[in-house]
Amino acid sequence: LAKTTQPISMDSYEGQEVNITCSHNNIATNDYITWYQQFPSQGPRFIIQGYKTKVTNEVASLFIPADRKSSTLSLPRVSLSDTAVYYCLVAPGGVTGGGNKLTFGTGTQLKVEL
Amino acid sequence: GAVVSQHPSRVICKSGTSVKIECRSLDFQATTMFWYRQFPKKSLMLMATSNEGSKATYEQGVEKDKFLINHASLTLSTLTVTSAHPEDSSFYICSARDRVQPNYGYTFGSGTRLTVV
Repeated sequence: LAKTTQPISMDSYEGQEVNITCSHNNIATNDYITWYQQFPSQGPRFIIQGYKTKVTNEVASLFIPADRKSSTLSLPRVSLSDTAVYYCLVAPGGVTGGGNKLTFGTGTQLKVEL
Repeated sequence: GAVVSQHPSRVICKSGTSVKIECRSLDFQATTMFWYRQFPKKSLMLMATSNEGSKATYEQGVEKDKFLINHASLTLSTLTVTSAHPEDSSFYICSARDRVQPNYGYTFGSGTRLTVV
């Protein structure tokens, strides 16, 4: 499984855009990139998944360069409620393909202040 | 959407006793469920893969006799922490994947906070 590297923590203010970058230099051809969000004492929650270029949904965007060795989760106009740990995962087929188990890295603690 | 219910959300037990944690997929069937544990300010660590109707697959370093997993139906997996000790105190989380609608991805339960005193 491709190893991922993320910043341990990030700070931001309400209303700002937050970009969290994840490195996955050893990503394989059939690997997808998935991001999860976790609040204290809760299970992780799926945010977004992508394979290449750009993916956008109602809560975030995911940017993946052509070499796919990194990815950036973009959260537009964050609020206090976005304070959480964000995990970048890389797995064959992603979370919607295959029966593979998910391996979590260290994650990024995002703290949003007023 | 897919919902995974985990029970109890919190439990305190005495050293030497056993504790059972349930993980239910409420609106879908899951042939495979996963169990994780998470220590404070640490990431999730996969403990085992629970397969309906067969033996669980444990990750390296996880004692299968210590953490008993039963996946007797397509909607229920249980994790029993046997002869619990204070070092077993942790946050336990399960996840499941819809076997019919795999595009729903993996859904996680809300976790169980186990405190062994």
